Amino acid sequence: DTEVTQTPKHLVMGMTNKKSLKCEQHMGHRAMYWYKQKAKKPPELMFVYSYEKLSINESVPSRFSPECPNSSLLNLHLHALQPEDSALYLCASSQASTVRNYGYTFGSGTRLTVV
Amino acid sequence: AQRVTQPEKLLSVFKGAPVELKCNYSYSGSPELFWYVQYSRQRLQLLLRHISRESIKGFTADLNKGETSFHLKKPFAQEEDSAMYYCALSLMDTGRRALTFGSGTRLQVQP
Repeated sequence: DTEVTQTPKHLVMGMTNKKSLKCEQHMGHRAMYWYKQKAKKPPELMFVYSYEKLSINESVPSRFSPECPNSSLLNLHLHALQPEDSALYLCASSQASTVRNYGYTFGSGTRLTVV
Repeated sequence: AQRVTQPEKLLSVFKGAPVELKCNYSYSGSPELFWYVQYSRQRLQLLLRHISRESIKGFTADLNKGETSFHLKKPFAQEEDSAMYYCALSLMDTGRRALTFGSGTRLQVQP
């Protein structure tokens, strides 16, 4: 298995809802990432997990809460989002960040719309 | 902070013409550089990495530390090369190993 799988592919949520985005990989990668991509813009880093521990948080608002339950899974819990949070949320994985970076494998993303 | 610059938002060429997508970075240490491609309605895919010195789909890129550049080149463009191309940087010698992306260049190859 050489893919990163993200679910759901599309999500519409209200500003008072709580939802979660899920990401899964079975490549043995020990680093996993959340990126946010707005239309016609490059991906922007949100969080990095290395060996299941949060290693980088790019000053993301607390309404986004990441979780890495094990080495294959990465979640992003969403609560009280704003319409400007509507974007494509990308998950990626790579070999451990302690070794040379051979590149990331990206999922196809969850397109989130906040209404 | 490290920075990746792709000066062209759009590059339009005719089929068979040479292509050069520019990428410059600002970092004085040991960078790891990559090119990613995003075809319409598809996921972001790794195209090239500087450590591999490989050619993928006819594309090559050479890291020039003196000019802090990592330009992507192809001698003869094909219509199927039309896509969004992102240059990305990771810092090998720091604790910050995450990729930072440039703003991207859309390549349009016309028939």
